Amino acid sequence: GQQVMQIPQYQHVQEGEDFTTYCNSSTTLSNIQWYKQRPGGHPVFLIQLVKSGEVKKQKRLTFQFGEAKKNSSLHITATQTTDVGTYFCARNDYKLSFGAGTTVTVRA
Amino acid sequence: EPEVTQTPSHQVTQMGQEVILRCVPISNHLYFYWYRQILGQKVEFLVSFYNNEISEKSEIFDDQFSVERPDGSNFTLKIRSTKLEDSAMYFCASRSTGVSRYGYTFGSGTRLTVV
Repeated sequence: GQQVMQIPQYQHVQEGEDFTTYCNSSTTLSNIQWYKQRPGGHPVFLIQLVKSGEVKKQKRLTFQFGEAKKNSSLHITATQTTDVGTYFCARNDYKLSFGAGTTVTVRA
Repeated sequence: EPEVTQTPSHQVTQMGQEVILRCVPISNHLYFYWYRQILGQKVEFLVSFYNNEISEKSEIFDDQFSVERPDGSNFTLKIRSTKLEDSAMYFCASRSTGVSRYGYTFGSGTRLTVV
């Protein structure tokens, strides 16, 4: 199937710092969803992006969808220990096809 | 908030044995899915189910796998003859009907260990 690629695979962040994780596709996406999986947990829906160039914010999380609808990013500001986990992007075409995820650890 | 319920949370089985993983999707959802996640790896699609039939399946979902919605509420995944490489976390998910503008709701998963 068509893949979405995520980078970086791991992100080690100092508490209070910002970071960004990126999601790329070789083909145009109709929409993309982001999920968070806490250690030992299950994927939890964060957001869906549909429109070209769309930007959505959830508190300290900012999600972007590229103009060409081939890439997306998640930016977290002022990282907290509660942000620990793996963040997945997933192409959504009547099923989810997940990227490999970015696993985030936070240094207090 | 509505939940997807999965049982059991852990299952240990001997290689070659049959296992059935159970899920109760959210009651007004009509699309159901099984995913698996091998430890430390990404979440992989297995199968989607709609209107009492499989709508799509992946290469992983071979003849050893089957799904069923036996009674209008439960949604099961059966592995007929388990192999060591079937050891993984299995997640059930469901979503509402129509345009998939909403997120998929995942259950807490069943950790399957084949020994």
